[in-house]
Amino acid sequence: DAGITQSPRHKVTETGTPVTLRCHQTENHRYMYWYRQDPGHGLRLIHYSYGVKDTDKGEVSDGYSVSRSKTEDFLLTLESATSSQTSVYFCAISPRDAWEEQYFGPGTRLTVT
Amino acid sequence: AQSVTQLGSHVSVSEGALVLLRCNYSSSVPPYLFWYVQYPNQGLQLLLKYTSAATLVKGINGFEAEFKKSETSFHLTKPSAHMSDAAEYFCAVSEGSGYSTLTFGKGTMLLVSP
Repeated sequence: DAGITQSPRHKVTETGTPVTLRCHQTENHRYMYWYRQDPGHGLRLIHYSYGVKDTDKGEVSDGYSVSRSKTEDFLLTLESATSSQTSVYFCAISPRDAWEEQYFGPGTRLTVT
Repeated sequence: AQSVTQLGSHVSVSEGALVLLRCNYSSSVPPYLFWYVQYPNQGLQLLLKYTSAATLVKGINGFEAEFKKSETSFHLTKPSAHMSDAAEYFCAVSEGSGYSTLTFGKGTMLLVSP
C-alpha cells in the first residue's frame, strides 16, 4: 500500500469554525490531491498540488484552501466550516503526472453541526 | 472536457455469476481509463488501468476491462462473482497530457448474494 496517512480520521465541528485536514505521504510523489466524496456524486476534486507551493483549483474549490510547504504534506483548510461541507475527504497522490493513476489515503469523515 | 457515465448505481448478482459494470466516457483526445474499488470505510484501490497499449486490460482479483473506442466504453467484467467482491466501483478518465487530472464517475455499488 502507498504510504499515505490522513489526520484526523474523524472530526465533528461546529458551523463557522476553521478546520484543517492533513495528508502525509512517505512516497516522495510529486502530485497530491484532495477530494470529497458524497452519496450520488462520486469523488469530486477540490484542489491539487504539482509541487511544493504549487497548487491549483479543482471542480469544487469554493470554501476551501490548501497549502504545501513540504513534499510530504498537503493541508486542506475550511476557513469557516458550513454544514454543506459535511463529507468524507480523501487525499491521493500520483508519482509523475496528473493524468496517471492515483493512490488514495484512508479518508477523513468530517461532520459540521 | 472529459466525463464518465456509469450505468446503474447498484448492480446485484449471485455468487458465481458474471459481473458486468458499465462505464462510458467522453474525451476529446485518446483517454487514459481506470477502474477503482472501494470497500466500506476504506479509500479507493486501483483495480486496473488502460493507457493506450492492449485494449483488454487485466487487473487484480480476476477483474478485466476492454477498451472499445467505437463505443466509447470501458466496461469491467469478472467471470464469477465472489462474496468478497461486494464493494463500490468507480470508473475514471483522464486525457493523458498536461495537467489533465482524473474525472470520476458516480460509482456503482456491487451487491453479491449467496
